[in-house]
Amino acid sequence: GENVEQHPSTLSVQEGDSAVIKCTYSDSASNYFPWYKQELGKRPQLIIDIRSNVGEKKDQRIAVTLNKTAKHFSLHITETQPEDSAVYFCAASIGAGGTSYGKLTFGQGTILTVHP
Amino acid sequence: NAGVTQTPKFQVLKTGQSMTLQCAQDMNHEYMSWYRQDPGMGLRLIHYSVGAGITDQGEVPNGYNVSRSTTEDFPLRLLSAAPSQTSVYFCASVASGQSNTEAFFGQGTRLTVV
Repeated sequence: GENVEQHPSTLSVQEGDSAVIKCTYSDSASNYFPWYKQELGKRPQLIIDIRSNVGEKKDQRIAVTLNKTAKHFSLHITETQPEDSAVYFCAASIGAGGTSYGKLTFGQGTILTVHP
Repeated sequence: NAGVTQTPKFQVLKTGQSMTLQCAQDMNHEYMSWYRQDPGMGLRLIHYSVGAGITDQGEVPNGYNVSRSTTEDFPLRLLSAAPSQTSVYFCASVASGQSNTEAFFGQGTRLTVV
């Protein structure tokens, strides 16, 4: 089955700095890669996703890059703010007509702390 | 739309007790899943369903049972609770269409087994 590794497990940055979280996956059939943000005591919420026919996607201060050959993808947050502090999870799935039926394999999570 | 609703939000069980975690969605999604979240391990899939009457096991199914009698509801049953099942449980639903694979999560159930 799919295996997703996420690094680092904790990340501490100063407000205004950039933050990068990296994930690798094992199943070359995976074609959908979402990133979730989870605040303390809350549910995971999708912040950005990318499909395997795209190499990069941006949404304001957040971007995700995908390298299918190397089987890794990364989340980039620029101009970080204290409200970006949360746990971030990457995930992989075989979506869009594949056979995973909405199932996600998650990375272990990264605790991001942005210091004012 | 309420999205995905889980009940209860908190529960304390004694070892050996049984209980059912409820999950309901009002988005007419075909796919539903249960995950457990433990510190440092991300979310792990327990069971999933691709439609009413169809369920299958995920990564960590032992000690849990599911059924799907309607599109809206996907309850998770703990047959005989064990301390190792202390965790936060999330239900999720996904639309089955080609263009939308976002998973929507419920607010979670924090379960403690003593």
